Amino acid sequence: KAGVTQTPRYLIKTRGQQVTLSCSPISGHRSVSWYQQTPGQGLQFLFEYFSETQRNKGNFPGRFSGRQFSNSRSEMNVSTLELGDSALYLCASSLGLAGGNNEQFFGPGTRLTVL
Amino acid sequence: KNEVEQSPQNLTAQEGEFITINCSYSVGISALHWLQQHPGGGIVSLFMLSSGKKKHGRLIATINIQEKHSSLHITASHPRDSAVYICAVRWRGGADGLTFGKGTHLIIQP
Repeated sequence: KAGVTQTPRYLIKTRGQQVTLSCSPISGHRSVSWYQQTPGQGLQFLFEYFSETQRNKGNFPGRFSGRQFSNSRSEMNVSTLELGDSALYLCASSLGLAGGNNEQFFGPGTRLTVL
Repeated sequence: KNEVEQSPQNLTAQEGEFITINCSYSVGISALHWLQQHPGGGIVSLFMLSSGKKKHGRLIATINIQEKHSSLHITASHPRDSAVYICAVRWRGGADGLTFGKGTHLIIQP
């Protein structure tokens, strides 16, 4: 069974640009969660999608958004990039809502560098 | 603000030693996760606990709900166990996703 895949793996952008990251969950998983990891703040929850609906959202500005498609694939978008958005962005999938205490399976991450 | 605290932040040990990593949290949870992250970033879920104890190979995780505390133990540690170990909790109510500890950086020397 294929694991969680994320594309691209590495990305370099400049301030003010926007970026879209993609996550394909494990087949049959309906929940996708997104996380940001930085050296200073560690891992932080961005949002969770289940059945194409955002179910939970972390404490991030509106520049961070996402969506989920009918095949459970998810994208997240960051607009008007700032230097502080440089981070490893991880997605994780689970069978059901993570709030239902389903085990999460993580992808390899997308490393975003903003210059 | 609900918090998750891990200790120690850094741990260096010799191969074969018994390792304990601790995690404390501030309020009631519905589940606690132990994660392992190797250099390069990939995260593997080791355990998900809501009570009691779980064992997988040389790894053991325990949780004491009353004390709001969990421990991850590694028996007969090996250099390949070198990684960052992260505790994460889902607060009861679960509206905010997972909240993570800052991680314990473990190095096992041969």
